[in-house]
Amino acid sequence: DAGITQSPRHKVTETGTPVTLRCHQTENHRYMYWYRQDPGHGLRLIHYSYGVKDTDKGEVSDGYSVSRSKTEDFLLTLESATSSQTSVYFCAIRGVAGRDEQYFGPGTRLTVT
Amino acid sequence: GESVGLHLPTLSVQEGDNSIINCAYSNSASDYFIWYKQESGKGPQFIIDIRSNMDKRQGQRVTVLLNKTVKHLSLQIAATQPGDSAVYFCAENIWGSQGNLIFGKGTKLSVKP
Repeated sequence: DAGITQSPRHKVTETGTPVTLRCHQTENHRYMYWYRQDPGHGLRLIHYSYGVKDTDKGEVSDGYSVSRSKTEDFLLTLESATSSQTSVYFCAIRGVAGRDEQYFGPGTRLTVT
Repeated sequence: GESVGLHLPTLSVQEGDNSIINCAYSNSASDYFIWYKQESGKGPQFIIDIRSNMDKRQGQRVTVLLNKTVKHLSLQIAATQPGDSAVYFCAENIWGSQGNLIFGKGTKLSVKP
């Protein structure tokens, strides 16, 4: 258990509403990542962070923003949710025990109706 | 059910047999590779990793082989058990990309008792 939690675990929202997903880690790891997982696409990187207030875009960042005001929290915001953003969202951290592999949270299933 | 498993290549093996899951990667600059296991409803779980200066690495019941000439990665699972049933992903890290991973689309392993 790498000490990663995600909230909420499930959410249904309407098109056009803003949504924020939270990733929380307990061990002060520098790198945090947000992915989405869809059938036929595998896991795709949305945004990542390499420190407090240091973030950058991934492969599929359009329609998403992130913030990291504290080491332990990485927030993913859908400014105006669309049906194409229905997906399972995973947060990951890197650097557990000084290693390079990423460890994943349990995921958030988001449905946009 | 978990939509991540739909339309994936499937490998079906008998309990006790060895399994081999293959992955092709595309970028010659990739220097680090990871295999993940994902069970239904859960986040990806780290299995084993290998760096590009190696061609083989062994763990408990698992072996990863790397062939850089043909950009091919394989995961071998010895004495496959029902608990090994899951979707398996390979992931590659491109040198200089701040640890960002590119995931393959996955292979579903089904173990028959």
